[in-house]
Amino acid sequence: QVQLQQSGPGLAKPSQTLSLTCAISGDSVSNNIVAWNWIRQSPSRGLEWLGRTYYKSKWYNDYTVSVKSRVTINPDTSKNQFSLQLNSVTPEDTAVYYCARSSSGWFDAWGQGTLVTVSS
Amino acid sequence: DIQMTQSPSSLSASVGDRVTITCRASHSISRSLGWYQQKPGKAPKLLIYAASSLQSGVPSRFSGSGSGTDFTLTISSLQPEDFATYYCQQSYTSPRTFGEGTKVEI
Repeated sequence: QVQLQQSGPGLAKPSQTLSLTCAISGDSVSNNIVAWNWIRQSPSRGLEWLGRTYYKSKWYNDYTVSVKSRVTINPDTSKNQFSLQLNSVTPEDTAVYYCARSSSGWFDAWGQGTLVTVSS
Repeated sequence: DIQMTQSPSSLSASVGDRVTITCRASHSISRSLGWYQQKPGKAPKLLIYAASSLQSGVPSRFSGSGSGTDFTLTISSLQPEDFATYYCQQSYTSPRTFGEGTKVEI
């Protein structure tokens, strides 16, 4: 049974970088039939998919347009985990951030969530 | 992006009631629709995928139907543990998008 464990700071300053990590157990980040995603949730935006990384003979990434210029999702095969970096954050990026596995587009396993507050 | 619209945004019901939640997509998404349940302070949980397929371990009182742009989640007999917020999500195209949620309250 796959489990996702998130880690990272709960506070980021405006204009700085938000960084979170999602450690995978019970599956492999290199599994070529699933994707590894970051999703956030806030009262103003609801549930918002940010992007994913997945492996099919090589690594691919796919991001939502609203954050595409600021976001990077990277796999780390040596530690069997993946990460989120969101640059130039503003208070509008305050949200609960989730990592999730997707299979055929369905999010069937989720991390516990991390509340990230952007404030000076 | 495909917009997902749920109705109602909230509803009040009693244990044993039959509850129906609808979700409408801004474009046809075939049967690429999933339903999630979220309880306060927890991550969403996948209930239904591909419009009507029950995720492993989910009670059979949950069912889904629909195709194209109109979809329905039905709880046949509401149980105390079902009071939560429910979201639909399309997997037809990227970016994946979610509905705004329907809160089921006592």
